[in-house]
Amino acid sequence: QSVLTQPPSVSAAPGQKVTISCSGSSSNIGNNYVSWYQQLPGTAPKLLIYDNNKRPSGIPDRFSGSKSGTSATLGITGLQTGDEADYYCGTWDSSLSAKVFGTGTKVTVL
Amino acid sequence: EVQLVQSGAEVKKPGESLKISCKGSGYSFTSYWIGWVRQMPGKGLEWMGIIYPGDSDTRYSPSFQGQVTISADKSISTAYLQWSSLKASDTAMYYCARGFLGSSSYFDYWGQGTLVTVSS
Repeated sequence: QSVLTQPPSVSAAPGQKVTISCSGSSSNIGNNYVSWYQQLPGTAPKLLIYDNNKRPSGIPDRFSGSKSGTSATLGITGLQTGDEADYYCGTWDSSLSAKVFGTGTKVTVL
Repeated sequence: EVQLVQSGAEVKKPGESLKISCKGSGYSFTSYWIGWVRQMPGKGLEWMGIIYPGDSDTRYSPSFQGQVTISADKSISTAYLQWSSLKASDTAMYYCARGFLGSSSYFDYWGQGTLVTVSS
């Protein structure tokens, strides 16, 4: 049972914007940095966002991250068919002394 | 170029032992943590544990403590995940990933995954 809650799915038309929420608590998101991962079908996860809002080299600025209190949000603008994937948030949980991942969100491009 | 290359798919019977590997290249293997992540069929990501090859400092998720063993051989830049007695419920894809520990704990490079199937 994950300690981070995400919506099971979100969808939008090509070119539109989607946001994915990640809800936690003071022992995880509230006091630690959040990262986001994209998992395309049949592939390994890929880092999209780290330290709440930083993008690794090569990740387009269509992807953005933010954090407020015990929640975090991933935004994807200019949605493309290639963005269809599962997206996971992750952070450190100070009570568990372990990294935790969100429940995952499937993005569908209509 | 940073690369993590994992060993191939395995098919095992319940009760058997198994050790899978993850070889790092293109960076200083002893300067970054290597973690293991489980993904059961059709399910999400689960953090199993992590090791710092520089000094073999190892941490486990409470959910996996005692169930698996994580180790590393820095002389060959390889990390391992092993089971002493597999169960059918260990059937999953296992990923290794290079990462960081603590407040800023993210994985920046991932292996391709090793599929483990446990069936009688």
